[in-house]
Amino acid sequence: AQKITQTQPGMFVQEKEAVTLDCTYDTSDQSYGLFWYKQPSSGEMIFLIYQGSYDEQNATEGRYSLNFQKARKSANLVISASQLGDSAMYFCATAGNQFYFGTGTSLTVIP
Amino acid sequence: SQTIHQWPATLVQPVGSPLSLECTVEGTSNPNLYWYRQAAGRGLQLLFYSVGIGQISSEVPQNLSASRPQDRQFILSSKKLLLSDSGFYLCAWSVFLAGEQYFGPGTRLTVT
Repeated sequence: AQKITQTQPGMFVQEKEAVTLDCTYDTSDQSYGLFWYKQPSSGEMIFLIYQGSYDEQNATEGRYSLNFQKARKSANLVISASQLGDSAMYFCATAGNQFYFGTGTSLTVIP
Repeated sequence: SQTIHQWPATLVQPVGSPLSLECTVEGTSNPNLYWYRQAAGRGLQLLFYSVGIGQISSEVPQNLSASRPQDRQFILSSKKLLLSDSGFYLCAWSVFLAGEQYFGPGTRLTVT
């Protein structure tokens, strides 16, 4: 069975600074995907970024980048130049044979 | 472009009453469909997923059931709600089972 661990229940970052949200995973699948989602207070889950287990380059989408270290089984999300609208819950997820979500990290951006 | 709809947005139901939540997807064919539940302050729990019409996989034993009567329609049901069924219910779709999922706006269910 797969498992996702997000060890930071809450994080604070100053506006315009960069922040890293941690995610480690445990899987026996040879091929899998790693995802990050944002959930603002409205409740909708917004897909941010995807990394395939065979991708050699770290994924990047605008201000979001995924720091993928396969040997360490980590897939940390880096948000550059934080904005007030980035305040939300962030969930890491993995999909191989099944889809698993972590418990989330609450990010608060301070003006 | 693809769109996913869920209704109702909020629902308050008494214990023992039935439940029917509906999810529809537009702009794609033969999507994989998913139902999740999120308890307050918690992560997402996968309840059901479907790879095609009439094909339902259940992830956890529970008081709920799911059906897929049409290609782009996914329904979550219960015959008798329990207090523990309260939560935020999210429907999602994906092209591939191991691919990114796109979520609907969710239904907040309160069982009283």
